[in-house]
Amino acid sequence: SYELTQPPSVSVSPGQTASITCSGDKLGDKYACWYQQKPGQSPVLVIYQDNKRPSGIPERFSGSNSGNTATLTISGTQAMDEADYYCQAWDTSTRVFGGGTKLTVL
Amino acid sequence: QVQLVESGGGVVQPGRSLRLSCAASGFTFSSYDMHWVRQAPGKGLEWVAVISYHGGNKYYADSVKGRFTISRDNSKNTLYLQMNSLRAEDTALYYCAKDSNLEHWGQGTLVTVSS
Repeated sequence: SYELTQPPSVSVSPGQTASITCSGDKLGDKYACWYQQKPGQSPVLVIYQDNKRPSGIPERFSGSNSGNTATLTISGTQAMDEADYYCQAWDTSTRVFGGGTKLTVL
Repeated sequence: QVQLVESGGGVVQPGRSLRLSCAASGFTFSSYDMHWVRQAPGKGLEWVAVISYHGGNKYYADSVKGRFTISRDNSKNTLYLQMNSLRAEDTALYYCAKDSNLEHWGQGTLVTVSS
């Protein structure tokens, strides 16, 4: 079955750029989405179709997807961005989530 | 605005069944694919199942295939998940989510499988 791999944790200083990767076989041939989840809350879609932002998501969130890796980039990271982030992609007709990355802003 | 409200969770013994519901409002329910996604305590997200907008196509994660059934009633704007032969590893918060990008999520309903 298809698998997506994310680093368990990423740390970033406030105001700096955070990059979270998601790796999977030929992931660039599929659409990738990214979700943010804060403690005790439901996930929130922050990027869809590789690089599109839903309404209400700040411009500092961006995405890319090529080859075997999708990347979520947060520019000018703020304390409020501290959360778990999950990538997700289609595999034939099913969906797969990555294991999640805990982003720490310190 | 889009609202998704899950219900039907609870404590159930291994091997028993449970049916979850997701009441939708604020959008044309019959026009969108719908998903179930679960999250075990302290763990990551796991996609469970999807049903097409018309109900004719259904797909499942391998971990639940043959035990869980996703369905919908477009006249009632409601999504369902029938869970049979429940196992301890099915213990999780179950979310319903809207559309191909899973753009909107409910708050979840907790299922605990324990003797």
